[in-house]
Amino acid sequence: SSELTQPPSVSVSPGQTARITCSGDALPKEYTYWYQQKSGQAPVLVIYEDSKRPSGIPARFSGSTSETMATLTISGAQVEDEADYYCCITDSSSYVFGGGTKLTVL
Amino acid sequence: QVQLVQSRGEVKKPGASVKVSCKASGYTFRNYGLNWVRQAPGQGLEWMGWINTHSANAHYEPKFQGRVTMTTDTSTSTAYMELTSLRSDDTAIYYCGRDYLRDSSSWLPIDYWGQGTLVTVSS
Repeated sequence: SSELTQPPSVSVSPGQTARITCSGDALPKEYTYWYQQKSGQAPVLVIYEDSKRPSGIPARFSGSTSETMATLTISGAQVEDEADYYCCITDSSSYVFGGGTKLTVL
Repeated sequence: QVQLVQSRGEVKKPGASVKVSCKASGYTFRNYGLNWVRQAPGQGLEWMGWINTHSANAHYEPKFQGRVTMTTDTSTSTAYMELTSLRSDDTAIYYCGRDYLRDSSSWLPIDYWGQGTLVTVSS
């Protein structure tokens, strides 16, 4: 089955741009989805179909893909964006999450 | 508004079974598939399987095949996930989550999640 690789951690200062990557061979064929999970809470969908934002998600969150890598970008990261972020793809035979990236904003 | 409300946490002994419920509201239950995802303490997200809420057909991740059963009760808009032969490494938060598109014949990423149910397996 497909695998998705994320860096374990990313750290930025408030107001800086945070970029979280997700790599996998299946990414050129499937859409990438991104979830934010704050401590003690259920995940929240922040990006779907590579680059679309659900209603209510701030515009500073954006997504992009290039070949075998997807990137979640948080432009002007805020302290409240500190969380674990997971990429995700699905296809007809599997449903895969990346290992998660802990974003620290301080 | 869409809500998925799960049953309360449970403590089980090794070898026992657990059945977690997920009650949906704010949308037409049969129009969206339902996924189950678990998260062990300090670990990442792991997909367990999916149920077509219209046909009640379920698909399970091979790792859980034979131990998991997903069902629905459309009269109460409730989905259930039963896991048997529990082991200590089944200790996790179990989430239900709705497909982000309606009327899909196969599993999709989740748009709305339940609040999670902590299942603790300990002797």
